[in-house]
Amino acid sequence: GAVVSQHPSRVICKSGTSVKIECRSLDFQATTMFWYRQFPKQSLMLMATSNEGSKATYEQGVEKDKFLINHASLTLSTLTVTSAHPEDSSFYICSASSSGGTTYNEQFFGPGTRLTVL
Amino acid sequence: AQSVSQHNHHVILSEAASLELGCNYSYGGTVNLFWYVQYPGQHLQLLLKYFSGDPLVKGIKGFEAEFIKSKFSFNLRKPSVQWSDTAEYFCAVRSSASKIIFGSGTRLSIRP
Repeated sequence: GAVVSQHPSRVICKSGTSVKIECRSLDFQATTMFWYRQFPKQSLMLMATSNEGSKATYEQGVEKDKFLINHASLTLSTLTVTSAHPEDSSFYICSASSSGGTTYNEQFFGPGTRLTVL
Repeated sequence: AQSVSQHNHHVILSEAASLELGCNYSYGGTVNLFWYVQYPGQHLQLLLKYFSGDPLVKGIKGFEAEFIKSKFSFNLRKPSVQWSDTAEYFCAVRSSASKIIFGSGTRLSIRP
């Protein structure tokens, strides 16, 4: 299957700093990328959907100014957690699909990034 | 709003036992249904999916799931589990809005 990578796999930062997480589709062009957040022993919560070259669509309750998403190319999307606070500590997972329209193409998931804010 | 419920948080079975994990969803329209698996330390992987047609869907590794529209259910089954099936299993639903909503997950532990 297709491969999606995330970098870094783990990051620890101080409160108030910003952290950037990269999501790359390694062997296919991802027209749509999704960002999820997973708290311990809980499900994946969709944060936003991004289509290449356009603004991301955020889910209700997700602050777009805090979680900046950029999908500038067909193989790269970035999530920047701005002014991170301890409550932002979580596991962030991206997934990529070659089509985000009404025709479903399988989503391939990255390995996740564990963010710890001190 | 659509939602997905997985009633079993943690299931413990012995090898060769039969498995059934429950999944119910709430959405009145047409849905696509999925089961994903996450083995320890690995990515989420698609086990199987239902879009239309035969409500009994067969996936990888001997898993199958049955879509029962009247019960809004999509339970996952396997007749005989193996130790290597130890993992977290997520049911998910995709509505016409195109986004996938995940259930809370069921942790499956298999005793050798």
